[in-house]
Amino acid sequence: ETGVTQTPRHLVMGMTNKKSLKCEQHLGHNAMYWYKQSAKKPLELMFVYSLEERVENNSVPSRFSPECPNSSHLFLHLHTLQPEDSALYLCASSLQGRDTQYFGPGTRLTVL
Amino acid sequence: KQEVTQIPAALSVPEGENLVLNCSFTDSAIYNLQWFRQDPGKGLTSLLLIQSSQREQTSGRLNASLDKSSGRSTLYIAASQPGDSATYLCAVTKGYSTLTFGKGTMLLVSP
Repeated sequence: ETGVTQTPRHLVMGMTNKKSLKCEQHLGHNAMYWYKQSAKKPLELMFVYSLEERVENNSVPSRFSPECPNSSHLFLHLHTLQPEDSALYLCASSLQGRDTQYFGPGTRLTVL
Repeated sequence: KQEVTQIPAALSVPEGENLVLNCSFTDSAIYNLQWFRQDPGKGLTSLLLIQSSQREQTSGRLNASLDKSSGRSTLYIAASQPGDSATYLCAVTKGYSTLTFGKGTMLLVSP
């Protein structure tokens, strides 16, 4: 499989659940990103990893916890989310920072 | 704080028309600017990337220009087709990798 893949594509969870989103890139890139896309709002950068080290964290609540075990995989661990966290979560990768980013199809998250 | 504005928010045109999408940004100290396309319920596809030292980039029927000093970019789509229907997003890069996005222009090209 090529490009950037994300699983699951759709997720419904209660506020007390714990779940994880997974992203995998098959492009040999060194940087990976998590974005949140809510209705009526611009895409928001959440986390940036370069060579498995977190280089940016845009004041994201601690109920979102990223993990980057290697340059090909990125996780977003979710716990005690709020209904306003319902959104499309997009993963992206790039060869280096500032290069063209390639996006996955996203995970549509609904928090009940 | 960088802000990116896209005008218009939505655009509907008949097939075959040439059209222009606009993007403006408040902080001109950018590294590059990118245009993306997003189909409903899907991820983003990069269309064009313009480095801050460049004035324009072309790919097929698409041409993007950048006027960094005035904080403006345009995406020109020639001879539009129904398959061009999507949301077009503009994003600027400053710093290591921070992309700041506009809200997008939703384009509908009717046959």
